[in-house]
Amino acid sequence: ILNVEQSPQSLHVQEGDSTNFTCSFPSSNFYALHWYRWETAKSPEALFVMTLNGDEKKKGRISATLNTKEGYSYLYIKGSQPEDSATYLCASRSGNTGKLIFGQGTTLQVKP
Amino acid sequence: EAGVAQSPRYKIIEKRQSVAFWCNPISGHATLYWYQQILGQGPKLLIQFQNNGVVDDSQLPKDRFSAERLKGVDSTLKIQPAKLEDSAVYLCASSFGDGSYEQYFGPGTRLTVT
Repeated sequence: ILNVEQSPQSLHVQEGDSTNFTCSFPSSNFYALHWYRWETAKSPEALFVMTLNGDEKKKGRISATLNTKEGYSYLYIKGSQPEDSATYLCASRSGNTGKLIFGQGTTLQVKP
Repeated sequence: EAGVAQSPRYKIIEKRQSVAFWCNPISGHATLYWYQQILGQGPKLLIQFQNNGVVDDSQLPKDRFSAERLKGVDSTLKIQPAKLEDSAVYLCASSFGDGSYEQYFGPGTRLTVT
């Protein structure tokens, strides 16, 4: 059974601060690591899909790194804005079945 | 392109009552997923359909939950009878082909059982 853990559980930062979260996952049988952003009352939105050890992906002010050997991924937000306030979910996929195992999420609140 | 549609968005019922949720996936997406997200936890896969066949329902509480996707397009998830611990957000997602493709999520149905 896969256990995906995210930390911290919640985070409050000031507008302009940079921040980062951690996603830990079992490294055995790894296939892909997904990051989603979930704003209140909206659909979870896909941010990144990462498959290769050492992968780095970037989307605007948000970037992510992947270490499949040690089983962790970091998500970074540079210069946080109030619109970044959301829950950030990571999910690990082992094999080609499509089954995602989600972490419990990190809820970010950015204060103006 | 229209996204994944779900209804209702919110539902409040008493325990032992029945409830049904509806999902319409993105057009052309063969795979459909139902997830349950309990407050403070990550979404948990309940059932995965490929067209109208079940691929994985290992975590579906089959004594009270049922799901169908009769024509390989939209899907319904039913709970009968509901328990307090079923209070959660029920998310539907779809993907183009097999499990290797990106999943696109609907906005979810928030169920409160009192």
